[in-house]
Amino acid sequence: ETGVTQTPRHLVMGMTNKKSLKCEQHLGHNAMYWYKQSAKKPLELMFVYNFKEQTENNSVPSRFSPECPNSSHLFLHLHTLQPEDSALYLCASSLSDSSYEQYFGPGTRLTVT
Amino acid sequence: KQEVTQIPAALSVPEGENLVLNCSFTDSAIYNLQWFRQDPGKGLTSLLLIQSSQREQTSGRLNASLDKSSGRSTLYIAASQPGDSATYLCAVLSGGNQFYFGTGTSLTVIP
Repeated sequence: ETGVTQTPRHLVMGMTNKKSLKCEQHLGHNAMYWYKQSAKKPLELMFVYNFKEQTENNSVPSRFSPECPNSSHLFLHLHTLQPEDSALYLCASSLSDSSYEQYFGPGTRLTVT
Repeated sequence: KQEVTQIPAALSVPEGENLVLNCSFTDSAIYNLQWFRQDPGKGLTSLLLIQSSQREQTSGRLNASLDKSSGRSTLYIAASQPGDSATYLCAVLSGGNQFYFGTGTSLTVIP
């Protein structure tokens, strides 16, 4: 399998649930990113990991908790979300930090009920 | 804070026509600019990356230009095809090592 993969592709969760989004890249990259894409809004950067270390946390609420166990895997743990958190969550990777071309996964469509 | 604007928000053209998509940014101190394509409900596909020292990049029927001093980039698509229908996004890498995205131009190529 090549490129950047994300699972699940669709997720519906209640506000009291706990779930996790998974991202895996098979490109040998060292930087990984989480973005949020809401309707009619620009993509918002959430988190950046470079060589497994978090280098950016863009004022994201604590109900979103990232985890990067190695350079190939990135998780986004979700708990007590709000309906306004419903969006497309995109994972991306690049060779190293943001100066290189970014490659995106297909996204997880999250609906919070 | 960097702001990225894409005009027009939507564009509809007949097949075979050449077209230009526009991207402008408020802070000219950028490291690079990247154009992406996004199909409905899907992730982003990178089309072209222009480093701040470059003026343009070409890939097949696509040509992207960058005028950093005026805060502008254009994406030129030659001989458009129905398969080119998608939303096109531009993103700039600015201070703070962060990508700033525009809201995109939704392109429809009519057969």
